[in-house]
Amino acid sequence: EPEVTQTPSHQVTQMGQEVILRCVPISNHLYFYWYRQILGQKVEFLVSFYNNEISEKSEIFDDQFSVERPDGSNFTLKIRSTKLEDSAMYFCASSEAPLGEQFFGPGTRLTVL
Amino acid sequence: EDQVTQSPEALRLQEGESSSLNCSYTVSGLRGLFWYRQDPGKGPEFLFTLYSAGEEKEKERLKATLTKKESFLHITAPKPEDSATYLCAPLSGSARQLTFGSGTQLTVLP
Repeated sequence: EPEVTQTPSHQVTQMGQEVILRCVPISNHLYFYWYRQILGQKVEFLVSFYNNEISEKSEIFDDQFSVERPDGSNFTLKIRSTKLEDSAMYFCASSEAPLGEQFFGPGTRLTVL
Repeated sequence: EDQVTQSPEALRLQEGESSSLNCSYTVSGLRGLFWYRQDPGKGPEFLFTLYSAGEEKEKERLKATLTKKESFLHITAPKPEDSATYLCAPLSGSARQLTFGSGTQLTVLP
């Protein structure tokens, strides 16, 4: 069964460093998303991406964040200068259609020290 | 602003004891409501999408229903492996973002 994959599973970084989280969406999906979940809190939307453009972004997704689809299979989230409060699980998701089911990856746990 | 409230926050059931989880929502122009299951340290696992009031969907011991203001996830004769956090997420207006509730943490005791 096709699935969304994410790497790395756990990333530890120092405050102020740049991190890139990687995702491989399901191959025939065209809509891509990033969400995050701070420990013990709700899953929160960050950004949606379609046709090589950001479709929507939340207030969380400020200038420190960027997304990119560098090739035909990968979808990345970059945080330019990490802060302590960026520590969370980051989930990538993809869907075949704009209102279709979003399938989530296993997540990357980001720890900022 | 879209709001989603799930109740109860936590639920402990004996194996075989059926129950229901509630998801109340206030969104502008509901386009669909998604149910997910989340195990600790894992990503949400898709269960159901409901698109219109009155719709019902079933999968094994789970049945999801939708009204204009809330959705229910009915669990019939649960097993310990059904223990997880169940999340609902409405999709509103033209948004392609899901607004998640806080979830119901279900524990099924053998």
